[in-house]
Amino acid sequence: QKEVEQDPGPLSVPEGAIVSLNCTYSNSAFQYFMWYRQYSRKGPELLMYTYSSGNKEDGRFTAQVDKSSKYISLFIRDSQPSDSATYLCAMSDGGTSYGKLTFGQGTILTVHP
Amino acid sequence: GAGVSQSPSNKVTEKGKDVELRCDPISGHTALYWYRQSLGQGLEFLIYFQGNSAPDKSGLPSDRFSAERTGGSVSTLTIQRTQQEDSAVYLCASSFLAGGPHEQYFGPGTRLTVT
Repeated sequence: QKEVEQDPGPLSVPEGAIVSLNCTYSNSAFQYFMWYRQYSRKGPELLMYTYSSGNKEDGRFTAQVDKSSKYISLFIRDSQPSDSATYLCAMSDGGTSYGKLTFGQGTILTVHP
Repeated sequence: GAGVSQSPSNKVTEKGKDVELRCDPISGHTALYWYRQSLGQGLEFLIYFQGNSAPDKSGLPSDRFSAERTGGSVSTLTIQRTQQEDSAVYLCASSFLAGGPHEQYFGPGTRLTVT
């Protein structure tokens, strides 16, 4: 059983659709929750992060964390072909583990015109 | 400014050979991480450097793997007697020591293929 579980997809949606990406986790010590986007042959780049529970919105992206359910989500509104990438959730307990990140498997998203 | 750089970008090696992968962190970043990304396992933590010391090596998969960092800057990950299961993308990330986990910046990775 992995500490962080993420449906690998792949997920294929039409342009303009709302996309929902999710991860569940088992380590209750996790306090930092991140979403990374990774294009082919590139390193991951930070998209959103949330500390502890709650929602955070940035343009077309909304991140939600529910610590009671150990469940996090990323919503993409009005999806664009340029959003096609692999999306990785990542978590950390912060200082006690030197900030090392534990990742989900990644979800491959394709947005077609 | 310059981001994290890694070299080589691609490496093909024969089983049993040793390889060295290099990471140049962002200038001034004292924390450095190595991760490995493979099809079956996703992205996994390998080792963490704080300056030149490695307080956390818990992710290194075997004693064939080692890493060092010199001058608080460049880091080298060495894999001895490579095996086919070592084929993966090796990613390096760096951050300020006081930075949060979300402040790690990743390099483009080295794609290692062991034949």
